[in-house]
Order: sequence, then C-alpha cells, then structure tokens
Amino acid sequence: DTEVTQTPKHLVMGMTNKKSLKCEQHMGHRAMYWYKQKAKKPPELMFVYSYEKLSINESVPSRFSPECPNSSLLNLHLHALQPEDSALYLCASSQDRWGENTEAFFGQGTRLTVV
Amino acid sequence: AQKVTQAQTEISVVEKEDVTLDCVYETRDTTYYLFWYKQPPSGELVFLIRRNSFDEQNEISGRYSWNFQKSTSSFNFTITASQVVDSAVYFCALKSFAAGNKLTFGGGTRVLVKP
Repeated sequence: DTEVTQTPKHLVMGMTNKKSLKCEQHMGHRAMYWYKQKAKKPPELMFVYSYEKLSINESVPSRFSPECPNSSLLNLHLHALQPEDSALYLCASSQDRWGENTEAFFGQGTRLTVV
Repeated sequence: AQKVTQAQTEISVVEKEDVTLDCVYETRDTTYYLFWYKQPPSGELVFLIRRNSFDEQNEISGRYSWNFQKSTSSFNFTITASQVVDSAVYFCALKSFAAGNKLTFGGGTRVLVKP
C-alpha cells in the first residue's frame, strides 16, 4: 500500500476564512511534506516534518501553519489567504529523509481556490 | 546548488510511437538520487523510479526504460509503444545530501499521446 490520502479534494475559501487541509499515510513513513503547485509549474516544497518535528520551512508566509499530530497525520492550517495562494497543495511521505529508500509518495492533492 | 533541466516542455506523439524524455541534472554531491514522476490530469504525482548515483545500470520496466549516464549528467526516460493513458506531465527530480536532501524538480515535460 503506497497510499497517501488528502482531504478535501477541492476547497473554495474566502480571504477571511480559516480552513485546514488534511493528509494521512499508513506506510510507517517518518518524513512528511507539503508542496504547493501552480498551474504548469513543478511542485515547490513548503514544509518538511521528520519524526513529527518540523525540520524545514521554506520561508512560507505565516498564513500557512503546518501541524503533525502524529506520525500518520499532517495538517496544513490556512488563515487569511490571498487569491495568489490558489494552487494544488500536495502532501507526500517517505520512509525517512536521509535513508536510501528516499522516494516520496504523493497524495492526489487539494485544489484550493481563494476568492 | 542543484538543478534539473527538462528541455522539452511538450511532446506530442501518435499512439504506438516511442517517446524519449530528456533530463539533465547538476549537483556538486557525489551521492545523490534521481527520480521520475508522472502527473496525470487527476493531479497525483506517481512515483516511477529511483536511481542512486552509484548505480549506473539502465533499467527496463514493461514499456518504460531509463538510461542513466553520469558522464553526461543525464537520466533519460523512454516510453515504448506509447498509449493514450501515458498522456501526462512527467517530472525528473534530484535529491542530494549537499542540498539538504530536498527534492528538486525539473520543469516537467507534457506528453500528449493521440489515438
């Protein structure tokens, strides 16, 4: 089972709303990632969690707040977003960050539209 | 710094034709990992292959084959006898210790297979 599950699949939110994106994996992976992907562009790394601790924040604005409640779950809390934040948000996981089995498995993403 | 270049932005072929996707990478590290991912219109990034820098063996998996050449810093991907279901965006990616083990994607190549 190489499944990463993301919910919701689609989200429309206003600029004053607060919402959360959820990601779950049951592969026993200890590294989890959030990526942002704009149309016709490659994914861009936002955050990396390793063993449930935030290890990389790629200078992401504070209106995006990640959370890793346990080794299987990863959330991305959204507040006061801007229309330019509209994108596909992808969650991924890998066995760990540093080992040889380092390939990341991605979820289907959440298509976010900020109005 | 590390970089991945996919010079072909879009390739259009007729079903059953072969298609080769080029990938050229740059890294100062001697240990690194190369990947190919497929992104169909549904949005999920599907992991296809990982290659370690110390393993230059080419690989064939069904209709897919990969040609890794360290001498030219290339990791090309060929789809033999293409099918309509192969239509997707394909990303080449690189991860190395020197770059914090962060995945760097190329710009992607959109493959359109026409019936």
